[in-house]
This record gives sequence, C-alpha cells and structure tokens, in this order.
Amino acid sequence: NAGVTQTPKFRVLKTGQSMTLLCAQDMNHEYMYWYRQDPGMGLRLIHYSVGEGTTAKGEVPDGYNVSRLKKQNFLLGLESAAPSQTSVYFCASSYKDRGISNYGYTFGSGTRLTVV
Amino acid sequence: EDQVTQSPEALRLQEGESSSLNCSYTVSGLRGLFWYRQDPGKGPEFLFTLYSAGEEKEKERLKATLTKKESFLHITAPKPEDSATYLCAARSAGGTSYGKLTFGQGTILTVHP
Repeated sequence: NAGVTQTPKFRVLKTGQSMTLLCAQDMNHEYMYWYRQDPGMGLRLIHYSVGEGTTAKGEVPDGYNVSRLKKQNFLLGLESAAPSQTSVYFCASSYKDRGISNYGYTFGSGTRLTVV
Repeated sequence: EDQVTQSPEALRLQEGESSSLNCSYTVSGLRGLFWYRQDPGKGPEFLFTLYSAGEEKEKERLKATLTKKESFLHITAPKPEDSATYLCAARSAGGTSYGKLTFGQGTILTVHP
C-alpha cells in the first residue's frame, strides 16, 4: 500500500539544467497536484490535473510544465532551472469532488531540489 | 482572494500542558477546512476535515472545531510524539470543479518531556 510515491527524493541542479520529477499513486485517485513548500510561504499550488490527459495551472506555474499521460502518474518538468526554484516539491492526490465527503489529499514524501 | 492565517507560528509546551492552535480563514464558499500534521522531512498527513460551523472531530489527544471564521486544534495533555508542524487548509467552492485548497503557513509545535 504505497500511496503517493515521488522520485527522486533529493536533487542538485545547475542553473539552466532541466529535470523531471515523477509522482505515482496507487489509490485510483482522479485528481493530482504539484505543490512547492518554501519557508514562510506555506504550500503553493503549481499545477494540477483533474483526469488523465488534462492539466491546469495553479497559483505559481511559471517555469514549470506538467503531463498526465496515465491516471496514476503526474510528471513535473523544469525546462531551465533557476535558483528561485530551490524548494521542496510535494505531489498529492485525491478523489474527485463528489460534494460533502470526509476525504483529504494524500501527499508524497517530497523532493528536495537545490538549484545552484 | 482566499486567505488562511495560522497562529502562533511556534508553540512550545511541556508534556501534559494542554493548548490550542488557531486557524483563521477567509474563503469564498467554504467547502471544507482541513488539518494536516507534517513531520520533518515528510509530506503532510491528513488529520481532519470540518465542513460546518459547530462541527467537532477528535482523534486521540487532538480535537478540531470550526466556527464561521476560525478553526481551532485543541491538544489535550500532549506528549513529545505530538511534536510536528500542524497545517490548516481551506477549500473554497472557487470557479473550478476541483476546489482550490489554500494552506496556512503552519504552527510548529514542540512538546518537551
């Protein structure tokens, strides 16, 4: 029962390099999300997906791209990394909103990215 | 604009010393107030969802309550293992089908033996 798995757990990039963060969930959740967490800023939504083949921008999407080719996977790409993208990245997933129900997002353990 | 503010930023308690964490929210059409626990180096772990004013939920030493403007996380007789960052998030109706979650900055709780 893995839940949400993120890879890699740690990464150091040089400015201008590219990379892809991988997120996989095994709970058959419809919705998936990418957040970044910075000291004093809380969790901020980068991009999200409400289903396979669909993605949308969150509140801080600049410099990132995403893809959801399969329901269980959500990829976050950095095409040209910048020091401002140094952060901890969390993937999360949830069931589709069906009105009032006792559910919450399930988060992965995070990817710590440093851009030098 | 949706806003969630948590206080205090940090709280130090002695083991057994009960206290409360505050979460003030301003969202358009609340569709759930969430509490999460986050341990160092890990992702947030879901604790509670509250939907309507007056609602209360309990789990072990934790009890969450909700009013029209605030939520409180009450910690009764805390133990050192309750030390963590507690995050509050409000889910608004928004204009999309998924319902936006706005997070507070968290309260760092430290319980000393």
